[in-house]
Amino acid sequence: EAGVAQSPRYKIIEKRQSVAFWCNPISGHATLYWYQQILGQGPKLLIQFQNNGVVDDSQLPKDRFSAERLKGVDSTLKIQPAKLEDSAVYLCASRMKRKSSYNEQFFGPGTRLTVL
Amino acid sequence: RKEVEQDPGPFNVPEGATVAFNCTYSNSASQSFFWYRQDCRKEPKLLMSVYSSGNEDGRFTAQLNRASQYISLLIRDSKLSDSATYLCVVKTSYDKVIFGPGTSLSVIP
Repeated sequence: EAGVAQSPRYKIIEKRQSVAFWCNPISGHATLYWYQQILGQGPKLLIQFQNNGVVDDSQLPKDRFSAERLKGVDSTLKIQPAKLEDSAVYLCASRMKRKSSYNEQFFGPGTRLTVL
Repeated sequence: RKEVEQDPGPFNVPEGATVAFNCTYSNSASQSFFWYRQDCRKEPKLLMSVYSSGNEDGRFTAQLNRASQYISLLIRDSKLSDSATYLCVVKTSYDKVIFGPGTSLSVIP
């Protein structure tokens, strides 16, 4: 089974520039998550999709961050304009919708963003 | 108060030692609980789920105390390969998944 795919793996930009990340979840996984992980911290949920609808975006800085999952499959996360404090690893995860609440989240390899 | 808190660490233990990690969560309506492991510069991966009755997987034992809103992970007979960051994870309603800050473990020869 193919895993969660993310691209690019690494990105270096200057502050005030824009950047976009792409995620393709595991086939059939209805729930998709974007996390921000700053060095030395645990992943922080930015946005959660159920199919193409947003379930939770309470921690997404909406003045500069946006995300979409138009067809309920792959997703993009955009930052415009970037700030120095956005330097982090952006992780995408997906999860199958099942009755059991114990079904596992699967993570992609992440995109490491450096803002100079 | 943060939604999920963990021992700050780091933990530096010799091979063969037993080490325990603690985690507390604030939302009493939380439904399910997990421990994830994250190796340096890698993505998190599921180590084990934590069930109400407690569960064991080889050298790893997880416990849940819903009354105290507390989760633990015990690692017996530590191996060098256990060196990683251990993330406590709590799932609330609507599949919202919250990660703790992680506890770093280094197993020393």
